[in-house]
Amino acid sequence: EAQVTQNPRYLITVTGKKLTVTCSQNMNHEYMSWYRQDPGLGLRQIYYSMNVEVTDKGDVPEGYKVSRKEKRNFPLILESPSPNQTSLYFCASSRQPSNYGYTFGSGTRLTVV
Amino acid sequence: AQSVTQPDIHITVSEGASLELRCNYSYGATPYLFWYVQSPGQGLQLLLKYFSGDTLVQGIKGFEAEFKRSQSSFNLRKPSVHWSDAAEYFCAVGAVTGGGNKLTFGTGTQLKVEL
Repeated sequence: EAQVTQNPRYLITVTGKKLTVTCSQNMNHEYMSWYRQDPGLGLRQIYYSMNVEVTDKGDVPEGYKVSRKEKRNFPLILESPSPNQTSLYFCASSRQPSNYGYTFGSGTRLTVV
Repeated sequence: AQSVTQPDIHITVSEGASLELRCNYSYGATPYLFWYVQSPGQGLQLLLKYFSGDTLVQGIKGFEAEFKRSQSSFNLRKPSVHWSDAAEYFCAVGAVTGGGNKLTFGTGTQLKVEL
């Protein structure tokens, strides 16, 4: 089954403790992206990647890092999480998102206390 | 830069009634337009998309949307709503920017269905 898999689904952590949210897709998509969803703000792009070793900032990149060492994986790293990063995070992949839209993962609900 | 406005934050309709969710976009060229649905606790599922050609596009679950260039709109419609349609709906515009392909989302419309 074609899918984007995120882990974990739920995570509660403390301020400053580094964490990684994993994302993997099995569709051989070139494009991958991370979004965060907050009430009243919709989905905002954090980072995106057009291919292996090619990543760039989205609209709200502060406090996040990503890497794309393999085509299928695109982890999101929070080196020092803060409470304002409490949010619902989605990973997505696509051939070309502007044309085809994205396939989304099921989301990761992160709470930073 | 492209942008999407969904003017209705919440909409409530009775089961069996018709539905129209509004979406207005801003983009300098011919847009690629999408509607996604997010059920509680789930990811986003693509309902339909518009690239070019026929301005009335059909999607899954009985939804359709009409592209109106003169109004910069891409409203989502369904003739008869089912209780299972209760969800949040997002409109998005796709664009090729200097930074590559990108989808920009609206802030969403929460649909409640009364039985």
